Amino acid sequence: AQSVTQLDSHVSVSEGTPVLLRCNYSSSYSPSLFWYVQHPNKGLQLLLKYTSAATLVKGINGFEAEFKKSETSFHLTKPSAHMSDAAEYFCVVSGTVSNSGYALNFGKGTSLLVTP
Amino acid sequence: ETGVTQTPRHLVMGMTNKKSLKCEQHLGHNAMYWYKQSAKKPLELMFVYNFKEQTENNSVPSRFSPECPNSSHLFLHLHTLQPEDSALYLCASSQSPQGAGANVLTFGAGSRLTVL
Repeated sequence: AQSVTQLDSHVSVSEGTPVLLRCNYSSSYSPSLFWYVQHPNKGLQLLLKYTSAATLVKGINGFEAEFKKSETSFHLTKPSAHMSDAAEYFCVVSGTVSNSGYALNFGKGTSLLVTP
Repeated sequence: ETGVTQTPRHLVMGMTNKKSLKCEQHLGHNAMYWYKQSAKKPLELMFVYNFKEQTENNSVPSRFSPECPNSSHLFLHLHTLQPEDSALYLCASSQSPQGAGANVLTFGAGSRLTVL
């Protein structure tokens, strides 16, 4: 079975400093991995996805993530945090496909706080 | 506004009430999903519909009754709910459950349900 573990439930950074949100995955085969962001009172929005092409994936709003098979990690980073980045971030692994589609396993989320 | 619209955004109901949540997608997708988001828990998949046919019921209690009249509309009928059913209910859609882009979901903003 596929699963993800988000290592921090809360992360606080100052505006203009780097962001690192950590995610480890467990999968019996090469997974597809995603990061979604959820702003207050909004639905989840796809930030980026990894599907076995380049290991460094660039997403929207300056975010990127690096797939490291040896470390089973897919950490999300951004060089400089902006106040608008304050939100909940979800790491997701895609499992096997069935009639109901791909089983998506969501992490519990990391709440990012950006202080002035 | 995203391509997936959910109404109402907020709903308060008693345990004996009957209400419905509505979801509409304007993306031409063929698969639609209901997820439950509770505080401090990973997103829980409830139901999947593929071309109007239900393909997944993730052991959801019968007090939740989904309906998918066409590929663009999805309902969640609620009756005799319990206080522990209070949560954010998210609707999502994808191109299809198995094809290219199947594991990329577009989410609505959610319906915040409070059961008294």
